[in-house]
Amino acid sequence: AQSVTQLGSHVSVSEGALVLLRCNYSSSVPPYLFWYVQYPNQGLQLLLKYTTGATLVKGINGFEAEFKKSETSFHLTKPSAHMSDAAEYFCAVRASGGSYIPTFGRGTSLIVHP
Amino acid sequence: SQTIHQWPATLVQPVGSPLSLECTVEGTSNPNLYWYRQAAGRGLQLLFYSVGIGQISSEVPQNLSASRPQDRQFILSSKKLLLSDSGFYLCAWSLTGLGNTIYFGEGSWLTVV
Repeated sequence: AQSVTQLGSHVSVSEGALVLLRCNYSSSVPPYLFWYVQYPNQGLQLLLKYTTGATLVKGINGFEAEFKKSETSFHLTKPSAHMSDAAEYFCAVRASGGSYIPTFGRGTSLIVHP
Repeated sequence: SQTIHQWPATLVQPVGSPLSLECTVEGTSNPNLYWYRQAAGRGLQLLFYSVGIGQISSEVPQNLSASRPQDRQFILSSKKLLLSDSGFYLCAWSLTGLGNTIYFGEGSWLTVV
């Protein structure tokens, strides 16, 4: 079975500060990992994903995430927050050999202060 | 390019009334299709998924049902809505393959009064 834990339902940062959203997964087989963003009253859109290869993955809007197998983590970062980054962020995992249905975390709401 | 459309975007329905939310995907064939629900302040709950026409799997027992009458059409229905059915409903699709992205529609806000 696979699972995802997003630490912190809310993260608050100042504009220009580092953004760090945490995601830890549980999987007995190599995972495929995703980060999605959801703006108010909209669907989710893909920020970035890790499948195989390079463990540091770059996505849209200046976000990146690093797959760390030893820590079972896939944290999302952005060097400098912008007001437009305020949104809900979801981490998701799919594991080879298991169900193709992805498991989503409960989401982290990013609040950006001016 | 592929697109996904779902409608209506918002609706307000009385308790006990029926429901029909529709979703269509364009630009691909034989997609995997999903219905999710988001209750206020909560994460995504998978309701139904489908790997082909007429093949529906239910994740959560409830008074909702889903159908896939055509390859790229996915319908969420209810015969009698409950207050607890209120929420934000999202349709999504993906191609088969674990590394493939799931693409979401814009969502439908349902308020049951």
